[in-house]
Amino acid sequence: GENVEQHPSTLSVQEGDSAVIKCTYSDSASNYFPWYKQELGKRPQLIIDIRSNVGEKKDQRIAVTLNKTAKHFSLHITETQPEDSAVYFCAASKESGGYQKVTFGTGTKLQVIP
Amino acid sequence: SAVISQKPSRDICQRGTSLTIQCQVDSQVTMMFWYRQQPGQSLTLIATANQGSEATYESGFVIDKFPISRPNLTFSTLTVSNMSPEDSSIYLCSVPTRGGASTDTQYFGPGTRLTVL
Repeated sequence: GENVEQHPSTLSVQEGDSAVIKCTYSDSASNYFPWYKQELGKRPQLIIDIRSNVGEKKDQRIAVTLNKTAKHFSLHITETQPEDSAVYFCAASKESGGYQKVTFGTGTKLQVIP
Repeated sequence: SAVISQKPSRDICQRGTSLTIQCQVDSQVTMMFWYRQQPGQSLTLIATANQGSEATYESGFVIDKFPISRPNLTFSTLTVSNMSPEDSSIYLCSVPTRGGASTDTQYFGPGTRLTVL
């Protein structure tokens, strides 16, 4: 099955600095890579995603890059703000047995220090 | 995106009992997913619930422990049976934006926080 590794597990940055979270996946059949943000006590919320036919995608301060050959993808947050503090999960999605199968990374707890 | 609600939002239960969690969606969806999130951990897929067929369970999860119903295209239930403290987790349902293709985004319900004493 798919295995998604995520690093680092915790990350502290000063407000205004950039944050980078990296993930690797094992199954070349995965073709969709969403990123979720989960604030304390809340549900995971999609913040950005990328499909396997795209190498990079940007949405304001958030960008995601994908290297299919190396099977890794990364989340980049620029000009971090205290409200960016949360747990971030990467995920890899593929079709399995006729169903969508999403495998999540282990999460990165991001703390933005004012 | 779909509006998803879950009941109950939280519960505290005694070991050996069962709890049924409800998931309601404001639009018809073919597939629904049930996840478990143990304290401080990531999300683990329990099963996929497709309307009109038996749920498909992931490795490590069995129907006797986590029976699922999917009576229509907007509703599903997950039962946590014969609970033990190890079942203390957040249980979340999710739905894909379209038919559940591999490139569909999944949106999550608010979750049910279960504590087993």
